[in-house]
Amino acid sequence: DVKVTQSSRYLVKRTGEKVFLECVQDMDHENMFWYRQDPGLGLRLIYFSYDVKMKEKGDIPEGYSVSREKKERFSLILESASTNQTSMYLCASSQPQVRQFFGPGTRLTVL
Amino acid sequence: AQKITQTQPGMFVQEKEAVTLDCTYDTSDPSYGLFWYKQPSSGEMIFLIYQGSYDQQNATEGRYSLNFQKARKSANLVISASQLGDSAMYFCAMRLNRDDKIIFGKGTRLHILP
Repeated sequence: DVKVTQSSRYLVKRTGEKVFLECVQDMDHENMFWYRQDPGLGLRLIYFSYDVKMKEKGDIPEGYSVSREKKERFSLILESASTNQTSMYLCASSQPQVRQFFGPGTRLTVL
Repeated sequence: AQKITQTQPGMFVQEKEAVTLDCTYDTSDPSYGLFWYKQPSSGEMIFLIYQGSYDQQNATEGRYSLNFQKARKSANLVISASQLGDSAMYFCAMRLNRDDKIIFGKGTRLHILP
């Protein structure tokens, strides 16, 4: 069964902390994506990666960075968490031109 | 710029009735794909159905069908014989085939009433 896993379902951090959200897929997919989901705004793309060590900015990259050192793992980094980054974060992966598979999501609260 | 519009923030439907969730899209690219995902309260995103821009027939998957009207740029999801388990958030999405980015609409929250 195909799987995208995220390191935490719920996370609480303090303002200013460095936060790592990890995503792992076991499908050998080329593409990986990070979205944030907020009520009334749908899913917005933060960053995506077409290959190892490659990354491209999505629609809302400010305040975030990413790392893809291995094909199966895509990390989202909040260098200095702020309260406006409280959100649900969804990771997805796909092969080119095929639908995305999503992880279960991480609900991040920044106090 | 590409855009997906879902005009119904919320809907209430009686169980066993058919449901139509609206979706319109905007792109000048000729080659694209349209998706619908379901998100129950658990948060997982469940893929429902896909329609390619060159597909001649409307896509169907069990109780789900996609009413694709290319000239109107609409891709409405139709759920036949709704069930209580259909209560969820539904997202329409579009992917341009020149890259693999997917743009999502803001979603429609569907409530099925017993």
